[in-house]
Amino acid sequence: GAVVSQHPSRVICKSGTSVKIECRSLDFQATTMFWYRQFPKQSLMLMATSNEGSKATYEQGVEKDKFLINHASLTLSTLTVTSAHPEDSSFYICSARAPDRPYEQYFGPGTRLTVT
Amino acid sequence: DAKTTQPPSMDCAEGRAANLPCNHSTISGNEYVYWYRQIHSQGPQYIIHGLKNNETNEMASLIITEDRKSSTLILPHATLRDTAVYYCIVRSANNAGNMLTFGGGTRLMVKP
Repeated sequence: GAVVSQHPSRVICKSGTSVKIECRSLDFQATTMFWYRQFPKQSLMLMATSNEGSKATYEQGVEKDKFLINHASLTLSTLTVTSAHPEDSSFYICSARAPDRPYEQYFGPGTRLTVT
Repeated sequence: DAKTTQPPSMDCAEGRAANLPCNHSTISGNEYVYWYRQIHSQGPQYIIHGLKNNETNEMASLIITEDRKSSTLILPHATLRDTAVYYCIVRSANNAGNMLTFGGGTRLMVKP
């Protein structure tokens, strides 16, 4: 089956610093990747959709200048949380879609970000 | 995409069948029913999906009512490892972005 990995699995950073999270599709090429955020005891909320080689589409209320998304290759998308604050502490999850399987979406294991 | 309604939590005895209901009364003809689950602190895992007919795979069975306004996910022999939040999602076949909208889900607790 299709595998999506994320790195790091957990990260602790100080307020004001930036953190980069990587999402990789290991055995397929992902033309589209999605980034979700999940706060404790809440459901996943879509942050943005990224298509390889083009700018990401952000959901309403998500600051594109704060959450920088780069999808430079068919197997890698990155999410950079800039000038992180404690309220950005959350579980960040990516998912990927393969062009030959448009109805399936494969999720990464998630990255737990803690901003102190 | 149509909205779904699920009970917030359910318990199931280990070894018994777990039947998780989902209401999607506003579903339209070209919308699929998807089920994902999320074990604590992990990413969601795809379980099964269907359009009209009942579906079965190695993980579960999906029963969709004839009017398609509700469905039931069946885990035939629940184990402790099936404890998770189960999400029922309705998604249009025309959803070019293929994004999934997660609701509250059902927190299934499998007890020994």
